[in-house]
Amino acid sequence: EAGVTQFPSHSVIEKGQTVTLRCDPISGHDNLYWYRRVMGKEIKFLLHFVKESKQDESGMPNNRFLAERTGGTYSTLKVQPAELEDSGVYFCASSQGSSLPYEQYFGPGTRLTVT
Amino acid sequence: AQSVTQLDSQVPVFEEAPVELRCNYSSSVSVYLFWYVQYPNQGLQLLLKYLSGSTLVKSINGFEAEFNKSQTSFHLRKPSVHISDTAEYFCAGFPGGYQKVTFGTGTKLQVIP
Repeated sequence: EAGVTQFPSHSVIEKGQTVTLRCDPISGHDNLYWYRRVMGKEIKFLLHFVKESKQDESGMPNNRFLAERTGGTYSTLKVQPAELEDSGVYFCASSQGSSLPYEQYFGPGTRLTVT
Repeated sequence: AQSVTQLDSQVPVFEEAPVELRCNYSSSVSVYLFWYVQYPNQGLQLLLKYLSGSTLVKSINGFEAEFNKSQTSFHLRKPSVHISDTAEYFCAGFPGGYQKVTFGTGTKLQVIP
């Protein structure tokens, strides 16, 4: 069974540009999550999809971030326009089930560098 | 306020020595607790988890953690580390039952030959 995959693995962009990160969850997982780790800090929750619906987007930092999950399959996270403080590693995770406790499976992350 | 606290950012230890990585959680975190590991250039992997039942949980590669309610701790231990254990370790939990993992700041374990 394939794990959670993320693309690209690295992205270097200039301030003001747009970047789109992609996440493919494990097949059959209805729950999809985005997390972010800025340098030296803890990994923080951004948002949670259940199928194609946003269940919780309380962690999204501002309206420069837009997450979508077309058809309840893969998800994209767009940053437009990117700022220096957006640099970090963006993780995607997926899980089955709708009640706690359950295990979230994480992807390898996308390292975003904004210069 | 931080729900999960890892007191040590880096822990160097000699190969075959024992190690303890400390984690404390606040009362806002549910009793579902996890340790994740991130090996160099890889994603996060679940190392072990405490959900209920026995307070001592073990991983397949020799790590163990004990849920201690009175001390609000979930420390990770291994009696003898290997070079391959060099990685960053994250303690995590679910705050208040929400479906989002709260992580500690991570502890980098460096095993010295």
